[in-house]
Amino acid sequence: AQTVTQSQPEMSVQEAETVTLSCTYDTSESDYYLFWYKQPPSRQMILVIRQEAYKQQNATENRFSVNFQKAAKSFSLKISDSQLGDAAMYFCAYRSIGSQGNLIFGKGTKLSVKP
Amino acid sequence: NAGVTQTPKFQVLKTGQSMTLQCAQDMNHEYMSWYRQDPGMGLRLIHYSVGAGITDQGEVPNGYNVSRSTTEDFPLRLLSAAPSQTSVYFCASSYSPTHSTDTQYFGPGTRLTVL
Repeated sequence: AQTVTQSQPEMSVQEAETVTLSCTYDTSESDYYLFWYKQPPSRQMILVIRQEAYKQQNATENRFSVNFQKAAKSFSLKISDSQLGDAAMYFCAYRSIGSQGNLIFGKGTKLSVKP
Repeated sequence: NAGVTQTPKFQVLKTGQSMTLQCAQDMNHEYMSWYRQDPGMGLRLIHYSVGAGITDQGEVPNGYNVSRSTTEDFPLRLLSAAPSQTSVYFCASSYSPTHSTDTQYFGPGTRLTVL
């Protein structure tokens, strides 16, 4: 069975600085999808970025980018120019190609942004 | 287009009571699912459905029932609530979960407390 591990329960960053959130996963599959979700205090789950395992190029979405290391089974999220609105729980998630859409989540990292 | 809606937003039950958490989507999505979120545990899959009349169990299905009589609705039933079911429940839906660019949309969540 696949597992997702987020080893940093909490992180803190100064406004305008850069922070990296870590995620590792365990799988025997060669093709899969990886995601980062943001959950602000409102509880709403918001998709931040996705990565297809067959793509070598790291995904980017504005200030958010990933460092995808397939051999190391690592999928970190980098947030550049951090803003107060980035403060939230961040969840890493894995989805098998044949899972019919089911997501496997890590336990989350709580990010605080200091003004 | 309301997206994914969940009712109620908050609920308090006594042990042994039954209730149904409602989930509806107006995006004609085939895939729908229920997750529970507990502190320090991330989100865990309870049940999912890949279309009307088709449901299957996820990681933590015990104590919950589901049915899918229409594409739009996917209710989650607690037949005899237990304190261990105190959690935040999220419903999610997507159009084509096996496609690489598919996005899962989450509802706003229901916070359930069982006394």
